[in-house]
Amino acid sequence: EDQVTQSPEALRLQEGESSSLNCSYTVSGLRGLFWYRQDPGKGPEFLFTLYSAGEEKEKERLKATLTKKESFLHITAPKPEDSATYLCAVQASSNTGKLIFGQGTTLQVKP
Amino acid sequence: EPEVTQTPSHQVTQMGQEVILRCVPISNHLYFYWYRQILGQKVEFLVSFYNNEISEKSEIFDDQFSVERPDGSNFTLKIRSTKLEDSAMYFCASTWGQNTEAFFGQGTRLTVV
Repeated sequence: EDQVTQSPEALRLQEGESSSLNCSYTVSGLRGLFWYRQDPGKGPEFLFTLYSAGEEKEKERLKATLTKKESFLHITAPKPEDSATYLCAVQASSNTGKLIFGQGTTLQVKP
Repeated sequence: EPEVTQTPSHQVTQMGQEVILRCVPISNHLYFYWYRQILGQKVEFLVSFYNNEISEKSEIFDDQFSVERPDGSNFTLKIRSTKLEDSAMYFCASTWGQNTEAFFGQGTRLTVV
């Protein structure tokens, strides 16, 4: 069964304190791995797509990496406005584009 | 910037009533999806829709649920007879390709009382 597990569930950082969020996945043929940001009461906002092991993508203070079993979202020198829930989702090659989501990591960055 | 629009933002309904949730996907997108998120839980896939037919549905998407694209712009989710456990945030999403990034709407919070 296709599955996505994110850790930690919650993370508190001081402003400027860099860290990483983990997304472990089990999928029958990975078509793509997606990172989203979700603010309370809002829809997921697209951040990155990764398609193959070794791939990296960057956007401002965020950098996403992918291996054959997991993905990391690295946050460098975070600011309070980076506080949100970060969702990881995978697409399996056997399906029609549906996303299988992890439970998310809720990040709080304190000034 | 193009966006997915959902209406209403919040709907309260009585158990057993029918509800229709509405979505306007991004105009040049071809694939459409509904997801739901029960408070404090994962975002769960409900259904995918392409070329005017359902391409995949989850176990959650039983006979009480239906989707429709009545015209060139709207995409709707109907729940025929709502149950308390249908209370959730419902998200519409669209993509231009089958494995490209999905863009989500802001959601409709459905409360069944």
